Amino acid sequence: EVQLVESGGGLVQPGGSLRLSCAGSGFTLSSYWMSWVRQAPGKGLEWVANIKQDGSEKYYVDSVKGRFTISRDNAKNSLFLQMNSLRTEDTAVYYCARGGIMMFSHLDVWGQGTTVTVSS
Amino acid sequence: DIQMTQSPSSLSASVGDRVTITCRASQSISSYLNWYQQKPGKAPKVLMYTASSLQSGVPSRFSGSGSGTDFTLTISSLQPEDFATYYCQQSYSTPLTFGQGTKVEIK
Repeated sequence: EVQLVESGGGLVQPGGSLRLSCAGSGFTLSSYWMSWVRQAPGKGLEWVANIKQDGSEKYYVDSVKGRFTISRDNAKNSLFLQMNSLRTEDTAVYYCARGGIMMFSHLDVWGQGTTVTVSS
Repeated sequence: DIQMTQSPSSLSASVGDRVTITCRASQSISSYLNWYQQKPGKAPKVLMYTASSLQSGVPSRFSGSGSGTDFTLTISSLQPEDFATYYCQQSYSTPLTFGQGTKVEIK
C-alpha cells in the first residue's frame, strides 16, 4: 500500500523550532516531487514548499521563506520540514503529499497530517 | 502569485442533485487545474487532475472541464458520501495555490 506518515508535530513557543518528518512506503520516494501543505484551524489548504527528486530545486510560499527548509533523504524514503522562528500563524495541520515526476503535477498521495501549535 | 477563486463558498443540495462548482484563476493556467475533496478530520483526496482527467478509483459521477482561467467540477448525481469540502488547485506555477474551498452540505 502506498502511504505517507508524518510525525514531529507538537506545541512550541513563538520563536521556537520544530522538525517534521514524513515517511513514505509502498513506493520509491526518490522518483517524485514532494510537497508540504498546511491547513490552519477552520481554514483552507495552503501549499508550503516542494522539492525535486534529487533535492536540487526547492520552492517555498513567501510567508515561510527564510524560516522553513524542506529536505529529503531518498535512501530512507523520507521527507523533512525544518521550521524555525515559528509564529502563531504557523499553527496548522501539516500534510506531506506526493507530486509527480514533473514539477507541475497534482498531489496524488497525502499523509494523515501532523499538528503544529505555536503558542505561549 | 496566481489567485484561485471558487464559487460558491458553500451550497446545500439533496441526494441525487446535479452540483457544479466553479473555479477561476487570476491568469491563464492552461489545463493545470486539479480538484480535491476533503472530509472533516481527513486529508484531502485528489478527484480530478489536468482539469478533466479522473483520478483512478474516483467514481465517474465526478467530471471536470475548462482551460485557461475558468474551470468547473460537476457531480452528476450527488451521493451521501459526497458531502465534503472541495478545493481547486493550480499546478501551473509556484507558489502552488488553492481556492478557498466550497462546502457541500445536505439540504
